[in-house]
Amino acid sequence: DGGITQSPKYLFRKEGQNVTLSCEQNLNHDAMYWYRQDPGQGLRLIYYSQIVNDFQKGDIAEGYSVSREKKESFPLTVTSAQKNPTAFYLCASKTGLLTDTQYFGPGTRLTVL
Amino acid sequence: AQSVSQHNHHVILSEAASLELGCNYSYGGTVNLFWYVQYPGQHLQLLLKYFSGDPLVKGIKGFEAEFIKSKFSFNLRKPSVQWSDTAEYFCAVISLKAAGNKLTFGGGTRVLVKP
Repeated sequence: DGGITQSPKYLFRKEGQNVTLSCEQNLNHDAMYWYRQDPGQGLRLIYYSQIVNDFQKGDIAEGYSVSREKKESFPLTVTSAQKNPTAFYLCASKTGLLTDTQYFGPGTRLTVL
Repeated sequence: AQSVSQHNHHVILSEAASLELGCNYSYGGTVNLFWYVQYPGQHLQLLLKYFSGDPLVKGIKGFEAEFIKSKFSFNLRKPSVQWSDTAEYFCAVISLKAAGNKLTFGGGTRVLVKP
């Protein structure tokens, strides 16, 4: 399954709460990515990191934060500032080579109650 | 703005029918192109990719795609579908000008194959 694990699979949160989604990879990949998947909109990039201790905003970073303290881990925090957080969140990773493929984790479905 | 368009949101067809899913992108310059598939309850996985060379690319499970640079298109095809091809299909593009090897995805096409 590509060596990327995401936990939990399902997550419920009350409005106003921050929540952190886990992403771990054992592929020794340098780059890691967070996407949000909504019906009819495909996948949209939230944040990405090309190297440890560095990360960049994607197309829809508002209301989210990340850290990259270890090569294998790239947790995503959905803050209370995110207006519409209910979605399916996918983590991905790849080597630094442009020609290499992104591999995806199984995803976390976040529901805000 | 750079974008990827998949024109069909839903496709329903019978087994043994032929499938073609459209994908157009708006990037200029050199691009790398991908088709990913998401089977029900499974990870997003790569079907095929184009980087250079022969514009007709063959992927897994009998899928192929043709890159037509003049039309900014990368349509996915399969001559004869099976019930197991029921899934959501995503086209994605990397512009070699873009920092971070960022993929931009189309909106996806849900394909339902009736047995």
